[in-house]
Amino acid sequence: GENVEQHPSTLSVQEGDSAVIKCTYSDSASNYFPWYKQELGKRPQLIIDIRSNVGEKKDQRIAVTLNKTAKHFSLHITETQPEDSAVYFCAATIRAGSYQLTFGKGTKLSVIP
Amino acid sequence: DGGITQSPKYLFRKEGQNVTLSCEQNLNHDAMYWYRQDPGQGLRLIYYSQIVNDFQKGDIAEGYSVSREKKESFPLTVTSAQKNPTAFYLCASRTSAGANVLTFGAGSRLTVL
Repeated sequence: GENVEQHPSTLSVQEGDSAVIKCTYSDSASNYFPWYKQELGKRPQLIIDIRSNVGEKKDQRIAVTLNKTAKHFSLHITETQPEDSAVYFCAATIRAGSYQLTFGKGTKLSVIP
Repeated sequence: DGGITQSPKYLFRKEGQNVTLSCEQNLNHDAMYWYRQDPGQGLRLIYYSQIVNDFQKGDIAEGYSVSREKKESFPLTVTSAQKNPTAFYLCASRTSAGANVLTFGAGSRLTVL
């Protein structure tokens, strides 16, 4: 089945700096890659996603890039703010056409004021 | 509350007891999911259901059971056969074919005493 590796497990950045979280996946047929943010004590919420026919997607300070050849995708957060502090999960569909997701183990991002 | 309600929010159980976690959604979503979240382990799929009266095992179904008698309800029973049940349980739902976005409930934290 699909295996998703996420790095780093923890990340601390100074406010205003950029943060990058990387994920690799094993199934070349995976075609959908979402990122979820989970603030402390709250539910995960989708912040951005990308499909396999696109290489990059941006939404204000957040961007996701996808390298299908290398089977990895990354979340980029620019101009980080304290409210960006949370656990971030990447995920990938287990196979093309499937709606099931396999999640990475998460990255705890701390933005230091 | 995001359209998905989980209850109870906190639950304590003695060893050997079965407990049932409730998940109700008013989003008219077809598919529903149960995930288990442990520190550093990400989200692991327990069971999912794509349609009423049908459900499938996920990656860690042993010791759990579900039912899907109504579209809006997908209760999870943690049985005494689950050897390490203390965890945070998240229910999610997804709309019909063509969309991968999961909407999560607020979660239920189960502690075995």
